[in-house]
Amino acid sequence: DIVMTQSPDSLAVSLGERATIKCKSSQSVLYSSNSKNYLAWYQQKPGQPPKVLIYWASTRGVGVPDRFSGSGSGTDFTLTISSLQAEDAAVYYCQQYYTTPQSSFGQGTKLEIK
Amino acid sequence: QVQLVQSGAEVTKPGSSVKISCKASGGNFSSHAISWVRQAPGQGLEWMGGIIPIFGTAHYARRFQGRVRITADKSTSTAYMELRTLRSEDAAVYFCARTQTELWLQDYYHMDVWGKGTKVTVSS
Repeated sequence: DIVMTQSPDSLAVSLGERATIKCKSSQSVLYSSNSKNYLAWYQQKPGQPPKVLIYWASTRGVGVPDRFSGSGSGTDFTLTISSLQAEDAAVYYCQQYYTTPQSSFGQGTKLEIK
Repeated sequence: QVQLVQSGAEVTKPGSSVKISCKASGGNFSSHAISWVRQAPGQGLEWMGGIIPIFGTAHYARRFQGRVRITADKSTSTAYMELRTLRSEDAAVYFCARTQTELWLQDYYHMDVWGKGTKVTVSS
């Protein structure tokens, strides 16, 4: 099974500053035949279901602001929020779907506003 | 606008079963997969399994094999997840989610539409 490890577990960032969350997979999630990284990022606010922010490691979901971006390949990935807004306070999860249909999530990273 | 409407909260006893429904509206139910993800109190997300309604083929996470059953009724655009032999650690919020798929590969990709969740309490 692929284990997804996020870092840090929590972070506090000031409004307008950049926030960076890392996700590392225990094996590559890059599928060589199509050059796609089978990785997504989700945002979850209290009492709400998750919302997809990024899929295929770097494609923004519908309606996701462009301050959210995803990067990385193979085993190391990054979610960046370029200019933090108050509404970005949430828990963020990465998910690999390389082992489809099996799938696994990272443990989550709690982002707070400083 | 696709929506997934889940059934209401359940209070169950250890050793019993629970069956949760997830009704889709506003989209093509059969052209995607439906995944089930659970979240224990204060914990992270855990993929349990899914189904591709057009084929009726269900897939399960290894740790739930033999204890979970996922089905779909194309005529009502509704997916179901039944979890048997409940234990206290099964207390969680259970989400269904529309999952992008490559139908001919029966692959599951990212989840782009989620239900609001169904809270399951397990208590004697």
